[in-house]
Amino acid sequence: TQLLEQSPQFLSIQEGENLTVYCNSSSVFSSLQWYRQEPGEGPVLLVTVVTGGEVKKLKRLTFQFGDARKDSSLHITAAQPGDTGLYLCAGADNFNKFYFGSGTKLNVKP
Amino acid sequence: NAGVMQNPRHLVRRRGQEARLRCSPMKGHSHVYWYRQLPEEGLKFMVYLQKENIIDESGMPKERFSAEFPKEGPSILRIQQVVRGDSAAYFCASSPLRGSYNEQFFGPGTRLTVL
Repeated sequence: TQLLEQSPQFLSIQEGENLTVYCNSSSVFSSLQWYRQEPGEGPVLLVTVVTGGEVKKLKRLTFQFGDARKDSSLHITAAQPGDTGLYLCAGADNFNKFYFGSGTKLNVKP
Repeated sequence: NAGVMQNPRHLVRRRGQEARLRCSPMKGHSHVYWYRQLPEEGLKFMVYLQKENIIDESGMPKERFSAEFPKEGPSILRIQQVVRGDSAAYFCASSPLRGSYNEQFFGPGTRLTVL
């Protein structure tokens, strides 16, 4: 079983603050995805990282894949209320199966 | 290019009835995955299918649940004799067949309520 642990589970911050969400595993993944899910909707793919050590930026969001392809982080700069949601990481194995973390529920207060 | 489509978006069933959830993958995607999500929780894997083939059903209960992805038409998740504990959001995701890496795209989900 390839477990992905996400931390923190809950995060409540003020608008303008920075935050980092972590996704850790003892298993190696061929790729790792980050999603954001809003209430009543399906998860929306934010980014896929593939190469160990890879860093991708999406406006105020920075995603990093660990050198060993076992862990990843999501950093949000100057958070806004629109960033509120459930953030999910998912690792893909070599057999096209995906393993999801339990999610980080982010609340950004205006 | 239309995204993953699921219908119905909301489904209400009484205990003992059958629920049929449909998923049309993105164009060109040959892999379909079904997940279940309870309120305030993450996604729980149920089953992974390719056209006419179940690849991995390790997350699906052995009784009352079945899934198919026929050569033509949408993937179907079928729940027979529903019970209150089946109430949840069911999400379908599709994925293209890539050589180097893979990623999933999700539909909007079907919210099943069992009365």
